[in-house]
Amino acid sequence: DTAVSQTPKYLVTQMGNDKSIKCEQNLGHDTMYWYKQDSKKFLKIMFSYNNKELIINETVPNRFSPKSPDKAHLNLHINSLELGDSAVYFCASSHRVGTPDGYTFGSGTRLTVV
Amino acid sequence: QKEVEQNSGPLSVPEGAIASLNCTYSDRGSQSFFWYRQYSGKSPELIMSIYSNGDKEDGRFTAQLNKASQYVSLLIRDSQPSDSATYLCAALPGSNYQLIWGAGTKLIIKP
Repeated sequence: DTAVSQTPKYLVTQMGNDKSIKCEQNLGHDTMYWYKQDSKKFLKIMFSYNNKELIINETVPNRFSPKSPDKAHLNLHINSLELGDSAVYFCASSHRVGTPDGYTFGSGTRLTVV
Repeated sequence: QKEVEQNSGPLSVPEGAIASLNCTYSDRGSQSFFWYRQYSGKSPELIMSIYSNGDKEDGRFTAQLNKASQYVSLLIRDSQPSDSATYLCAALPGSNYQLIWGAGTKLIIKP
């Protein structure tokens, strides 16, 4: 019974294409996040939603657009993919913003742009 | 700017020894601290959290927090090859903040 599930697990696509990554959590958490992890393993926050409301929008190209249809889902759409977008993208959730309980991560989506 | 710093390693420790991982943070108001383990090709998983000064033990893992010196450490006793992973330290600056992440320390346990 997966807590935070992401699809697809792997995504290989050509430059210039548009792609989406989906995330769903069944933990009843209020807050969801998108992280990008590059080859050096640094986790960089991209977006955060709390109860479908965007609360964190870091300096990310506007080719990246998150969407939260309800508090259990947070999707990421990427337009005009570039080589530098290649990374692992993690979805995560937490009870609420600033919870002391930590985050639960999805299994990640490895995006390769060729 | 709120920061969390870790030595990137790799830290090489013989099997059966104690592995000691360290982390410092810049925001003195940080309240909660977390250690995540990330195996290669996998997602980070929470292994320890600590909120008060002192030690917190869970099996072979001990987290230590010293707020005066602004550091957090993770000790792994009787290290096993299966402990080889990247360990990420994270701090929570306050109730309205997101986690601030360190860059991770790669730990290698040598049989």
